[in-house]
Amino acid sequence: SQTIHQWPATLVQPVGSPLSLECTVEGTSNPNLYWYRQAAGRGLQLLFYSIGIDQISSEVPQNLSASRPQDRQFILSSKKLLLSDSGFYLCAWSAGRVIGELFFGEGSRLTVL
Amino acid sequence: AQSVTQPDIHITVSEGASLELRCNYSYGATPYLFWYVQSPGQGLQLLLKYFSGDTLVQGIKGFEAEFKRSQSSFNLRKPSVHWSDAAEYFCAVVAPGGRRALTFGSGTRLQVQP
Repeated sequence: SQTIHQWPATLVQPVGSPLSLECTVEGTSNPNLYWYRQAAGRGLQLLFYSIGIDQISSEVPQNLSASRPQDRQFILSSKKLLLSDSGFYLCAWSAGRVIGELFFGEGSRLTVL
Repeated sequence: AQSVTQPDIHITVSEGASLELRCNYSYGATPYLFWYVQSPGQGLQLLLKYFSGDTLVQGIKGFEAEFKRSQSSFNLRKPSVHWSDAAEYFCAVVAPGGRRALTFGSGTRLQVQP
């Protein structure tokens, strides 16, 4: 069966520090991969979307970036965190042929101080 | 651009009462529609989805949703709410044939009173 792992689960970082959140999917190949951010009291904002290695679409500008070094690994990064980067980050995957059925990780809560 | 509106930020119902969570979408054509549920501090789980056909769709945990084209709505319902249904509920859409990334509504937080 397919599983998705996301870490770290909780992170407290000072403003200006770097960020790396990792996500790995097991039990499937060629997944579509996603990073969403959920700010307090708000919905989910799509940050990045990838249909394959080196195929990453960015939905938001600013200081976040994503990489997909392997087929089932998706990394969210920042060189310098801002206060506004605080939130709950969710990684998700979907099979290419199954429209919209996203499978989410447990999330990473980031607090920037 | 497509958008999803969940007009109720927070709803409180008594256990055993019926529930309806509202979702309206704005899109040029009928999108694919979804409802997800999120327990506190957790990821999201798919409840149900609508692509075409029968406008009343059944999902997991006793939930159902009805697609109404004339109202651009896809409201989620449950006849009798259980305390374990307390969670946040998200409506989402994706354009048929478009990129496969969902657009989510802002969510409705459901509280269940004993």
